[in-house]
Amino acid sequence: DQQVKQNSPSLSVQEGRISILNCDYTNSMFDYFLWYKKYPAEGPTFLISISSIKDKNEDGRFTVFLNKSAKHLSLHIVPSQPGDSAVYFCAAFLYGNKLVFGAGTILRVKS
Amino acid sequence: DTGVSQDPRHKITKRGQNVTFRCDPISEHNRLYWYRQTLGQGPEFLTYFQNEAQLEKSRLLSNRFSAERPKGSFSTLEIQRTEQGDSAMYLCASSSRVTGNTIYFGEGSWLTVV
Repeated sequence: DQQVKQNSPSLSVQEGRISILNCDYTNSMFDYFLWYKKYPAEGPTFLISISSIKDKNEDGRFTVFLNKSAKHLSLHIVPSQPGDSAVYFCAAFLYGNKLVFGAGTILRVKS
Repeated sequence: DTGVSQDPRHKITKRGQNVTFRCDPISEHNRLYWYRQTLGQGPEFLTYFQNEAQLEKSRLLSNRFSAERPKGSFSTLEIQRTEQGDSAMYLCASSSRVTGNTIYFGEGSWLTVV
C-alpha cells in the first residue's frame, strides 16, 4: 500500500530551465509534506516543506505547491543547475511521528 | 559539524552474524528515528524514540531487530542473525519541538550481508 507515489522515476532537464517534480498521495490525514534531496551513498537532505493549511511555499529557487483536493504536490526548481542532479523524495507526515516516503525521482540537469 | 552522526558508515557481514549501528543525533534533539532504505525505494520507517522512550515500531522491525536509546542521547540499532534481505542503508534522523515536523537525516550506514 503505497500512500505516497512519485510516478516519474526520472526527469531530465536542461540547465537554466525549470524542473517540476510531482508527487501524489492517497491518505487525506497527511498534514505536512516535505521534499528531500539525496546524493548516492549519502543520507537525504531536507529541502523544503509545506503544511496542509497552505498551498504554496517558496525558498530561493525551490517552490512547493500543494493541491489538497487533488492530493497532489509538486516541487519546482528554477533555474535548474547541474548541482541539482540527485534523487528527490517526496514525504508526508502521518500523525506527526512517521514520515512516509515516495520511491523518488532521479533528476538529471544537463549543462 | 553538529549534524546527525552514524557509525559505521559501511559494514559487510556474513549471514548469521550480529551487527550494531550507532547514531548520535543533533545536540538537544529529543526525537530520534531509524529508517531503512533499499535500492530504488524511499526510506521506510522502522522506529521512533522520544527521549529514551521507544514510542513506535514498524511491523518491518522483526524480532531480530532491537533499538535502544538508553539515556535519551545516542541510539543503537542491533540486527541479530543477519539475513541477506537485511542488506540496506540504515538511516538515523532526529528532530525537536523547535524543528517541528522537519527531521534531519544522518549519512546512513550501509549494510551488506554476504
